[in-house]
Amino acid sequence: GESVGLHLPTLSVQEGDNSIINCAYSNSASDYFIWYKQESGKGPQFIIDIRSNMDKRQGQRVTVLLNKTVKHLSLQIAATQPGDSAVYFCAENSGAAGNKLTFGGGTRVLVKP
Amino acid sequence: DGGITQSPKYLFRKEGQNVTLSCEQNLNHDAMYWYRQDPGQGLRLIYYSQIVNDFQKGDIAEGYSVSREKKESFPLTVTSAQKNPTAFYLCASSPGQLDTDTQYFGPGTRLTVL
Repeated sequence: GESVGLHLPTLSVQEGDNSIINCAYSNSASDYFIWYKQESGKGPQFIIDIRSNMDKRQGQRVTVLLNKTVKHLSLQIAATQPGDSAVYFCAENSGAAGNKLTFGGGTRVLVKP
Repeated sequence: DGGITQSPKYLFRKEGQNVTLSCEQNLNHDAMYWYRQDPGQGLRLIYYSQIVNDFQKGDIAEGYSVSREKKESFPLTVTSAQKNPTAFYLCASSPGQLDTDTQYFGPGTRLTVL
């Protein structure tokens, strides 16, 4: 079936370095993608989104890249801070009725001081 | 404050009992969703509602029931038919204007079956 997955379950990064979290998706019909951050015991927090008519979108310290050719999504966090330690999920939306999201399994980011 | 609230934060249930989880939003969103999250895993959709008095099954609806009598409220009942109910339950809402709206999540309820 269609699915969204992540390449790396855990990413350790030095404080101040850049982080890159990758996500592969298999539904070529997906046209909307979201990155969420989830801290322990809390609900997912929206970080940034991108639609399929774009290949790059920037936010505050975050950039999302979309490569539709290879069905790959990435989240780049600049100058990673201790507060960035969390699990990051990508989610895809195929645009079918119901606005249903398919979530990947998550990548844990650990920021080392 | 605007947002999505879930209560209680922690819930304990004995086997064989039904339990209802609350989800309220004051964002004037049309659509609401319930997800289940198991340790170390992503979110799976239980039920969703795009409009008042209407709801649809998600991927794992068995053993759960919902109602949507008011726009701001979407309670989830975990019934005794749910074989493995211990999990973290997340409610979300979206404006509902598009089929590709952003979903915003509440803080979650952790349910433990004793």
